[in-house]
Amino acid sequence: NAGVMQNPRHLVRRRGQEARLRCSPMKGHSHVYWYRQLPEEGLKFMVYLQKENIIDESGMPKERFSAEFPKEGPSILRIQQVVRGDSAAYFCASSPGGDTPLHFGNGTRLTVT
Amino acid sequence: GENVEQHPSTLSVQEGDSAVIKCTYSDSASNYFPWYKQELGKGPQLIIDIRSNVGEKKDQRIAVTLNKTAKHFSLHITETQPEDSAVYFCAASSSNSGYALNFGKGTSLLVTP
Repeated sequence: NAGVMQNPRHLVRRRGQEARLRCSPMKGHSHVYWYRQLPEEGLKFMVYLQKENIIDESGMPKERFSAEFPKEGPSILRIQQVVRGDSAAYFCASSPGGDTPLHFGNGTRLTVT
Repeated sequence: GENVEQHPSTLSVQEGDSAVIKCTYSDSASNYFPWYKQELGKGPQLIIDIRSNVGEKKDQRIAVTLNKTAKHFSLHITETQPEDSAVYFCAASSSNSGYALNFGKGTSLLVTP
């Protein structure tokens, strides 16, 4: 049973480009959470999605950032017009819902040059 | 929203000694408290969790205690081994937030042989 799969593992973008981060949840999991981690810091909640619905996006910047979890396919975190401050590790977690444990992927490390 | 504080930020112990990491939380509605271990270049891995209807839980060398009245919970690792060296995160969540986890800033544990 594969865990949470994130790709790419590393992504380099120049300022102004778009970054697309993909997350395939564990089999049977319909809840996806995205987190951002800056060096030497904890994980900051960004957005919580269920299939085809955004449940809570209170941690996501209102501009340039968007997320989706379509009926078919992986969840996508999209960052438009990236800036140097977007450089971070982005982690996705999934769960079957309710107070069940969140399982994390190994993250995508975004570097903006 | 929920605020989780974690101490200490760094902890160095000798192999075989015990390590204790403490966290406090602010939202009395929080009822799920997991602990994650993160190794370099990897995503957080769940090592133990506790729910608010339980005061203590143990799994081999790892134990977690919860004091709901004082709003704090602790991780105890006994007989530490060098492979326990990693960053440990506490977190708290509730149904109010869709069980999105709020993380502490992490404790970097170093176990020296």
